[in-house]
Amino acid sequence: EAGVVQSPRYKIIEKKQPVAFWCNPISGHNTLYWYLQNLGQGPELLIRYENEEAVDDSQLPKDRFSAERLKGVDSTLKIQPAELGDSAVYLCASSLVQDTGELFFGEGSRLTVL
Amino acid sequence: QKEVEQNSGPLSVPEGAIASLNCTYSDRVSQSFFWYRQYSGKSPELIMSIYSNGDKEDGRFTAQLNKASQYVSLLIRDSQPSDSATYLCAVSTGRRALTFGSGTRLQVQP
Repeated sequence: EAGVVQSPRYKIIEKKQPVAFWCNPISGHNTLYWYLQNLGQGPELLIRYENEEAVDDSQLPKDRFSAERLKGVDSTLKIQPAELGDSAVYLCASSLVQDTGELFFGEGSRLTVL
Repeated sequence: QKEVEQNSGPLSVPEGAIASLNCTYSDRVSQSFFWYRQYSGKSPELIMSIYSNGDKEDGRFTAQLNKASQYVSLLIRDSQPSDSATYLCAVSTGRRALTFGSGTRLQVQP
């Protein structure tokens, strides 16, 4: 069974540029999460989807971050414009059912903003 | 106060010893508790879950939960160098997505 697929794995951009990350969850997993992980810290939730509905986006900085999950499968996370402090690893995860802690993570997308 | 607190370590143990990792949480309505392992440069992977007070054993791993003290621990018996990683404690209230601690870095010395 294929795992959670993310791309790109690495991205280096200059501040004020836009960037987008893509995630394909495990087939059949209705719940999709985007987490942000800074060095030496645990993952922090940005947004959670149940199918195509964003059910928890309270931690998403909506002035510059946006996300979508069309058709309830793939998801895209966008930052525009990027700031120096956005440098981090962006992790996508999926789970079979909601309200579970059994998350399957992708490899992550490491963003460096110069 | 952080919702989930862990000692950042590093916790250094000799090969074959028992490693004890601890975690406290602040939300009393928390229902589910998880330990994730994260190797350097890799993503977290689930290794243990525990839902009720007491101990839960899985191979060399034992998770312990004390809801009255709001305390979760992970014991790793017969520690191996391959166990060297960061261990993330995660807590769920059932209404929100998982909340993670900052992780404890474990080093197992050969």
